Amino acid sequence: GENVEQHPSTLSVQEGDSAVIKCTYSDSASNYFPWYKQELGKRPQLIIDIRSNVGEKKDQRIAVTLNKTAKHFSLHITETQPEDSAVYFCAAPKRPGQGAQKLVFGQGTRLTINP
Amino acid sequence: EPEVTQTPSHQVTQMGQEVILRCVPISNHLYFYWYRQILGQKVEFLVSFYNNEISEKSEIFDDQFSVERPDGSNFTLKIRSTKLEDSAMYFCASNRGGDTGELFFGEGSRLTVL
Repeated sequence: GENVEQHPSTLSVQEGDSAVIKCTYSDSASNYFPWYKQELGKRPQLIIDIRSNVGEKKDQRIAVTLNKTAKHFSLHITETQPEDSAVYFCAAPKRPGQGAQKLVFGQGTRLTINP
Repeated sequence: EPEVTQTPSHQVTQMGQEVILRCVPISNHLYFYWYRQILGQKVEFLVSFYNNEISEKSEIFDDQFSVERPDGSNFTLKIRSTKLEDSAMYFCASNRGGDTGELFFGEGSRLTVL
């Protein structure tokens, strides 16, 4: 089965700077990598995802990169704003090939944006 | 925008009591899930449900847990005899299934076992 490791566990950046969170996965057959944002006491919400047939995907200030050879993927947030403060989780399919159905989550990164 | 809804938002129970957590998945979704998040920890998969049966369950989902779709809209998680370590946030989720991407989570039900 899949194993997902996420680093760092906490990250503090100045408003306007960039933040990068990294995840590694164990199963080379994994083909779908979502990132979820969880604000305090709220549900996890998908912010961006990438499939294994592309190396990078961007949505405004958020981007995800995927290195299949090294089995890692990263979340990049540019021009950070206070509302970006949250816990971010990466994930990968528990059984690759079955899409988003059963996800294994990373340990989470608590991102704090300092004004 | 359609949402997954869950009730109750918070339940406090005594150890050994039965608890039922309720969820209404998004209406055109076919796959339903329960995930658990112990305070300050990561989200963990418990069980997936498709076509009125469990399609997969994790090692956490032991005989004390069961799921049911009693009608066309509700999806429930029952814990038969709660333990202290069952205290967590329980998230229901749904999606259209297969390789179609996004998993939609409910707001969660916080269970506190005393």
